[in-house]
Amino acid sequence: AQKITQTQPGMFVQEKEAVTLDCTYDTSDQNYGLFWYKQPSSGEMIFLIYQGSYDEQNATEGRYSLNFQKARKSANLVISASQLGDSAMYFCAMRVANSGNTPLVFGKGTRLSVIA
Amino acid sequence: GAVVSQHPSRVICKSGTSVKIECRSLDFQATTMFWYRQFPKQSLMLMATSNEGSKATYEQGVEKDKFLINHASLTLSTLTVTSAHPEDSSFYICSARDRLPDGYTFGSGTRLTVV
Repeated sequence: AQKITQTQPGMFVQEKEAVTLDCTYDTSDQNYGLFWYKQPSSGEMIFLIYQGSYDEQNATEGRYSLNFQKARKSANLVISASQLGDSAMYFCAMRVANSGNTPLVFGKGTRLSVIA
Repeated sequence: GAVVSQHPSRVICKSGTSVKIECRSLDFQATTMFWYRQFPKQSLMLMATSNEGSKATYEQGVEKDKFLINHASLTLSTLTVTSAHPEDSSFYICSARDRLPDGYTFGSGTRLTVV
């Protein structure tokens, strides 16, 4: 069965600094996708970035980049130039296979606090 | 982009009553809808997968008779919490596969409080 592990329950970062949120995954499938979501206190799930297992380049979206190390089965999120508004819960998620019936499986999350 | 509208955003109900939560895809057809539950400071746990026109598939440990899921059309899926108890108080959120190759669109969530 697939599993996502986020080992950092909480992280602090100084405003304008970069921060890395760790995510490791476990699956025997070759075709999978990795996602990062931000969840502010309002509860909505905000999609940040996606990496497909066959993508050779690391994904980037603005201040977000995904450090994808396939052999290590890790998909760490890097947030550059942190802002106070980045304070939130961050979830790493994975889908395996790629049918319409495939749900996302989530890690336990990391609470990021940005300090002024 | 794809939008899933979820209502209500917040509901308080008395023990023993039922509550219906709706998720509606506004600009795409959601063949499959996923329902998650999230307790405070915890992750999203998949409750069930619903497919339009067929019975939902529930995850192990989720009571089918308590959490009724209906996916009668390609744009609407509902979750009804029957005979609610305080332990059912939680954050419920739906998600649908959208048009993009790896697109998952989430509703805004429903915070249920049973008193």
